[in-house]
Amino acid sequence: AQSVTQLGSHVSVSEGALVLLRCNYSSSVPPYLFWYVQYPNQGLQLLLKYTSAATLVKGINGFEAEFKKSETSFHLTKPSAHMSDAAEYFCAVSVAFGNEKLTFGTGTRLTIIP
Amino acid sequence: DAGVIQSPRHEVTEMGQEVTLRCKPISGHDYLFWYRQTMMRGLELLIYFNNNVPIDDSGMPEDRFSAKMPNASFSTLKIQPSEPRDSAVYFCASSPPSGTDTQYFGPGTRLTVL
Repeated sequence: AQSVTQLGSHVSVSEGALVLLRCNYSSSVPPYLFWYVQYPNQGLQLLLKYTSAATLVKGINGFEAEFKKSETSFHLTKPSAHMSDAAEYFCAVSVAFGNEKLTFGTGTRLTIIP
Repeated sequence: DAGVIQSPRHEVTEMGQEVTLRCKPISGHDYLFWYRQTMMRGLELLIYFNNNVPIDDSGMPEDRFSAKMPNASFSTLKIQPSEPRDSAVYFCASSPPSGTDTQYFGPGTRLTVL
């Protein structure tokens, strides 16, 4: 069975600083990997996804993530944090070749310090 | 595109009452998912449908929960009788026919059972 582990339930960064949110996955077969963002009182919105094409994936709002098979990681980064990035971020995994289920991590709440 | 529509957005009920949550997926999507989000357990997949047929209901917590999808544009999640521990935010999501693709989430229904 596949799973994801998000390291750090809360992360705080200063406005303009690098954002790094960590995600490690476990899967017995090549995974599809996703990052979703949830703003307060809203549903989840896709930031980016990896589906076995390029290992560096660019998403919306300046975020990107790099798939590293050797490290079983899919960390989310953004060079310069903005106040509007304050939200909860979820990493998710699904198994390729027809498995529709997503398994979500426990989430990381990102706080931006002015 | 209206996105996934959920109703009601907020529901407050008393223990023992029946609760029905509603979802309209995005037109053309043939996967529909019901999730529950709580502080303690995070985001849990309850059940999902493909072409109106339930595929996996292993996440449904107990017999008090039931879900139906009578047609491609409507699904319900029913709790009868409701209990205080059912208080959570319930999300509906839909996904296009390719399967392991992006899930589009609705805004959620915040359920409070007194």
